[in-house]
Amino acid sequence: DAKTTQPPSMDCAEGRAANLPCNHSTISGNEYVYWYRQIHSQGPQYIIHGLKNNETNEMASLIITEDRKSSTLILPHATLRDTAVYYCIVPNYGGSQGNLIFGKGTKLSVKP
Amino acid sequence: NAGVTQTPKFRVLKTGQSMTLLCAQDMNHEYMYWYRQDPGMGLRLIHYSVGEGTTAKGEVPDGYNVSRLKKQNFLLGLESAAPSQTSVYFCASSRNLYEQYFGPGTRLTVT
Repeated sequence: DAKTTQPPSMDCAEGRAANLPCNHSTISGNEYVYWYRQIHSQGPQYIIHGLKNNETNEMASLIITEDRKSSTLILPHATLRDTAVYYCIVPNYGGSQGNLIFGKGTKLSVKP
Repeated sequence: NAGVTQTPKFRVLKTGQSMTLLCAQDMNHEYMYWYRQDPGMGLRLIHYSVGEGTTAKGEVPDGYNVSRLKKQNFLLGLESAAPSQTSVYFCASSRNLYEQYFGPGTRLTVT
């Protein structure tokens, strides 16, 4: 998998936008960027993925830079329930097993 | 849709005992996976399946067996439990390889 780098922790005020950055400077042209999160004691939750265009769904927006070397996950109006560890993953499509490599991620704390 | 469900939620085993963890999904997904997560660590893939009747080894398969007799179910077996298998076990399913949907986990303690 392409290496990703994320800040270990971030704080966000409830109701404000949370912007979580990820660097993936070794990403290849056909590799997607996936975002997951894991709320304490729960299974990981798929959030969104993208290749080069910006993507939006009901949970979040994903902004990918034009050179694709970094991306930002945006939670537009963070709530206390968004407190979780957020993982940015660039899977290696050379493998066929679907093995997601979860690194250390960013621990987002949403505060009242 | 219930999504991905796992049975049981908690279990305590003695060393040498056996057990089977059940994963069920109602999304008609082809792919299913078993991961384990140890405290403070990321998930590690144990076994996976790309369709009914198929299974394959992941990153840490030793001490585990799996079966996928029905498309909606993926079973993980421990034949002779060891303390090193104390962990939280997550099952996941997906339509494509990387958009995976996870169950709530099974917390297993082996004494």
